[in-house]
Amino acid sequence: DQQVKQNSPSLSVQEGRISILNCDYTNSMFDYFLWYKKYPAEGPTFLISISSIKDKNEDGRFTVFLNKSAKHLSLHIVPSQPGDSAVYFCAARSPLNNDMRFGAGTRLTVKP
Amino acid sequence: KAGVTQTPRYLIKTRGQQVTLSCSPISGHRSVSWYQQTPGQGLQFLFEYFSETQRNKGNFPGRFSGRQFSNSRSEMNVSTLELGDSALYLCASSSAGALQETQYFGPGTRLLVL
Repeated sequence: DQQVKQNSPSLSVQEGRISILNCDYTNSMFDYFLWYKKYPAEGPTFLISISSIKDKNEDGRFTVFLNKSAKHLSLHIVPSQPGDSAVYFCAARSPLNNDMRFGAGTRLTVKP
Repeated sequence: KAGVTQTPRYLIKTRGQQVTLSCSPISGHRSVSWYQQTPGQGLQFLFEYFSETQRNKGNFPGRFSGRQFSNSRSEMNVSTLELGDSALYLCASSSAGALQETQYFGPGTRLLVL
């Protein structure tokens, strides 16, 4: 069961513009959300996280927004750089069993 | 600190065989989680070990098992391999596996079942 969904398999943006990656979840028990970035032949690397008690968390060029009522989170990258080209996974953790569920990923391509 | 390491990086097996994958967490980390990544399903949680005990388990059949040693190194075993087990298997470690902790992933073991 896909409790975490990333409906856009790919996204292409121009260097310097904003990249917006979206993620939806169905389980209201999730209360901690993370974004990971993955380059080919490497494991995912942690990017940014947000607790459900917040609606926004910012770290440099990366900002994650959480809309609990819509069960939706998004990752904004401003300005986008070619080095940001990777697959981005959103993930949600349940406090009940420490289970982490991932979305299928969105491949971001930033064109110079 | 050295990162999470996984061995082997690549593996080819045939149906019906069994396989054992190894993961060495970051020094000092006691929680190790295993994930399966396939193109169609994305990353799926297999199980988590903490202090040599399986603490959490995802929705995978009993053919998938694991263990953790006293030095926190973990192994994952898949018996009676099926074609659908072909995937990238990732392990991730964290200090205690608490909700707000970041998990650090290894590079993965790519398993191909023929």
